[in-house]
Amino acid sequence: DIQMTQSPSSLSASVRDRVTITCRASQSISSYLNWYQQKPGRAPKLLIYAASSLQSGVPSRFSGSGSGTDFTLTISSLQPEDFATYYCQQSYSISYTFGQGTKLEIK
Amino acid sequence: QVQLQESGPGLVKPSQTLSLTCTISGGSISSGDYHWSWIRQPPGKGLEWIGYIYFSGSTYYNPSLTSRVTISADTSKNQFSLKLTSVTAADTAVYYCARVGSSSWVFFDYWGQGTLVTVSS
Repeated sequence: DIQMTQSPSSLSASVRDRVTITCRASQSISSYLNWYQQKPGRAPKLLIYAASSLQSGVPSRFSGSGSGTDFTLTISSLQPEDFATYYCQQSYSISYTFGQGTKLEIK
Repeated sequence: QVQLQESGPGLVKPSQTLSLTCTISGGSISSGDYHWSWIRQPPGKGLEWIGYIYFSGSTYYNPSLTSRVTISADTSKNQFSLKLTSVTAADTAVYYCARVGSSSWVFFDYWGQGTLVTVSS
């Protein structure tokens, strides 16, 4: 199985901050990396697919980058509705594993 | 707009079989454009992909669950289903059905609201 490790596990930030979350794969996954946002009691929401493609309807303050083993999700200017848990997910191999999540909290 | 809705028992006894159904609206499982998936999330924990099905009946499962999982589709009802046998407390989770937005990139673009299944006697 490909292991996905996110850092940090939790993060405190303020509205209008620029925030970066990192996801590392245990082996190269090319650009087969997706990002999701999950709010409490809700299903995950797709933000970014194929490492850097913005899903339709997702604000442009969200961006993704990386390839191989190291990836980042950046929120350019945090908004109140962005405080949530973020997950990466590899789609290179059939276990389609997710990272453990990064909880983004209000400072 | 595609909508997915999970249904099934919220409580299953240990060693029994967990059975859930996902009903699709706003899209057709028979269109052949997408795969349809199950994903679960134990309370307070991360996400685990269970498997997916194509309208033709082709299925793909997480290797860690393949011996216990069956996913099937009923095209006449526009539904797909999950069966997980020999459940234990470790199978307690919120179960989501989701659409695979691309068979090439395998991302999940539409999700049901999820249903909590508790394994307990």
